[in-house]
Amino acid sequence: NAGVTQTPKFQVLKTGQSMTLQCAQDMNHEYMSWYRQDPGMGLRLIHYSVGAGITDQGEVPNGYNVSRSTTEDFPLRLLSAAPSQTSVYFCASSYVGNALNQPQHFGDGTRLSIL
Amino acid sequence: KQEVTQIPAALSVPEGENLVLNCSFTDSAIYNLQWFRQDPGKGLTSLLLIQSSQREQTSGRLNASLDKSSGRSTLYIAASQPGDSATYLCAVSTNAGKSTFGDGTTLTVKP
Repeated sequence: NAGVTQTPKFQVLKTGQSMTLQCAQDMNHEYMSWYRQDPGMGLRLIHYSVGAGITDQGEVPNGYNVSRSTTEDFPLRLLSAAPSQTSVYFCASSYVGNALNQPQHFGDGTRLSIL
Repeated sequence: KQEVTQIPAALSVPEGENLVLNCSFTDSAIYNLQWFRQDPGKGLTSLLLIQSSQREQTSGRLNASLDKSSGRSTLYIAASQPGDSATYLCAVSTNAGKSTFGDGTTLTVKP
């Protein structure tokens, strides 16, 4: 059981480049989300999804796009990378169901540097 | 807007000591509160989840309490070990799918 898998683990981009961070889970979780973690600012929610075909914005959505075509996958797209998007990105998933009270499972993160 | 504060930011204790980590939140209308552990360069591992209707949860040497009315939670670690060294984060959920995290407490347990 792989849990939540994020790829790549590390990435360096130049300003203006675009890329997609991949996230996949094999637990049949309805809910998936993307966070960024920055020193002194904790984890902040970027986008989330409560099921295939449904996405919504979190606290810091600007500069990022998401889609959810399958239950398993929730990719995060950076449209035009900026140095301010240098961060560690985490994907998380959990059951929804009767369960606002289900623990979130996190991937190991993608460390992204924008030059 | 929900705000979550964790005090202290860092804590260093000798092995074997019992310790308490604190988490406070500003909006008491929460669905649950979750404590996580994060090791350097790694993701978050869920330790305990307390539903809004519960007062505490226990797992091994860990005990988490929740006082919604005062907006506080504590994580109690008994008989600390060097392997407990990590950053501990709390997160509160106020809507389905939205969690607000604290900045964490970095714990060092010295042998």
